[in-house]
Amino acid sequence: QVQLVQSGAEAKKPGSSVKVSCKASGGTFSNNKVHWLRQAPGQGLEWMGRIIPILGIDHYAPKFEGRVIITADKSTGTAYMELSSLRSDDSAVYFCSTTTVCTSTVCYFDNWGQGTLVTVTS
Amino acid sequence: EVVMTQFPATLSVSPGERATLSCRASQSIASNLAWYQQRPGQAPRLLIYGASTRATGVPARFSGSGSGTDFTLTISGLQAEDSAIYYCQQYNYWLRYTFGQGTKLEIK
Repeated sequence: QVQLVQSGAEAKKPGSSVKVSCKASGGTFSNNKVHWLRQAPGQGLEWMGRIIPILGIDHYAPKFEGRVIITADKSTGTAYMELSSLRSDDSAVYFCSTTTVCTSTVCYFDNWGQGTLVTVTS
Repeated sequence: EVVMTQFPATLSVSPGERATLSCRASQSIASNLAWYQQRPGQAPRLLIYGASTRATGVPARFSGSGSGTDFTLTISGLQAEDSAIYYCQQYNYWLRYTFGQGTKLEIK
C-alpha cells in the first residue's frame, strides 16, 4: 500500500492562506483519487474535497467551494490542498486519504496521511 | 445532507467483554457505511466497509451489521488496544461523505 506523507504543522494568521502537501511514497497515486478531510480539536471528521490526479479533475464540498483548491503534481506524486481566507475555526488537523477499498458502488477511505495541524491565530 | 448520529457518546467496558456501538442515519443509506477506529494522535483506520465487510488485517472480533438507517459495530473479546474513538461514515449521494461524531470506547 502506498504511504501518504504530509507536510509539517503550520501556524497562520486570520485572513491568510495555507497549503498542505501529501506525497505518495513511490512517487505515484496510480489511478486513485486523493481526498482531503479535516478534524477540528475534539470533533469529528469533515470531507473537504478530492482530486483525480491522473485526470486533474477536482470536486469540493459545498461548504468549502470557492475557498479551497486541491491540485496534484503527477510528476512527483504529490497532492496539495490550499485553503484561503483562514479563520480561527479552520484550526484543525488536515488529512489526505485515498480510496482503494470499494464495494460495487462506493469506495472508502482506507489509506491516510499522518495529518497536518494547522493553527489559525492572531 | 445525511446526518449520522452515534450512540452512546462514551462507552466503558471491561477487558474480554463485548462492546456494541450504534450509528443511525437520518435517511436510508442502504449498506453504504464504514466504521473507523482512531487512536489519540493517529489518523483514522478503516475497520468495516459496506456495513459488514472487514478491511484487510482487521481482527475477526470486529464485526459490523445493519442496513438502511441503523447500524452496529460489535467488538468482542475487548483488549486494551481497542481503546479509541470509533466513527461511522456514510456515502449515499454524489460526493456527500458525512461522519458521525464518534463513540469513545474506554477499556476499564
